Amino acid sequence: QVQLQESGPGLVKPSQTLSLTCNVSGGSISSGTYYWSWIRQHPGGGLEWIGYIYYSGSAYYNPSLKSRITISVDTSKNQFSLELSSVTAADTAVYYCARDRTGYNAFDIWGRGTMVAVSS
Amino acid sequence: QSALTQSASVSGSPGQSITISCTGTSSDVGDYNYVSWYQQHPGKAPKLLIYDVTDRPSGVSSRFSGSKSGNTASLTISGLQAEDETDYFCSSYTSSGHVVFGGGTRLTVL
Repeated sequence: QVQLQESGPGLVKPSQTLSLTCNVSGGSISSGTYYWSWIRQHPGGGLEWIGYIYYSGSAYYNPSLKSRITISVDTSKNQFSLELSSVTAADTAVYYCARDRTGYNAFDIWGRGTMVAVSS
Repeated sequence: QSALTQSASVSGSPGQSITISCTGTSSDVGDYNYVSWYQQHPGKAPKLLIYDVTDRPSGVSSRFSGSKSGNTASLTISGLQAEDETDYFCSSYTSSGHVVFGGGTRLTVL
């Protein structure tokens, strides 16, 4: 049974870079058909797709965040990561990592989510 | 891209059927059969109910079904149960190769 677990600081200062890692257990991140994704949810709000990455390193980003995002994968550690630069209070959210089973928007396994607050 | 449009709330009585709609554009919902639906209980991660418009992952109740007409996708829940009372989100693949979500619908079981 594949499980995902997010990790990273819960508090980031404005203008700094938010860094999160998603550890994949119970299966290989290099399994061919899956895309590994980051999705966030603002307090009391809807879901926002951040981007996803294939094990080969090909990444796709939300155009509205593209200039500030880097998603990377480390197959040796079976994990993938998110960096979001120049954060503001608007980036305060619960951040989820998720597996896309098809590469076409079918997020079938999710981490529990990690709350990240941006505040000085 | 703009978020997909969902009604803010819907309600129904136990045993009834309800439908939640999700309206997009010809660049997302209308362009591909890659619409998904998620159920999210408070404080929990979303759960995939439907993908590729009509397909259910293993373990999801057959009471949940999906459909699409033009730029609007729909989730139907039949035989409403108290445990169905929570939030539902739609999402779609887009012609730009991205993913866009709806704003969510709160289901109340009367």
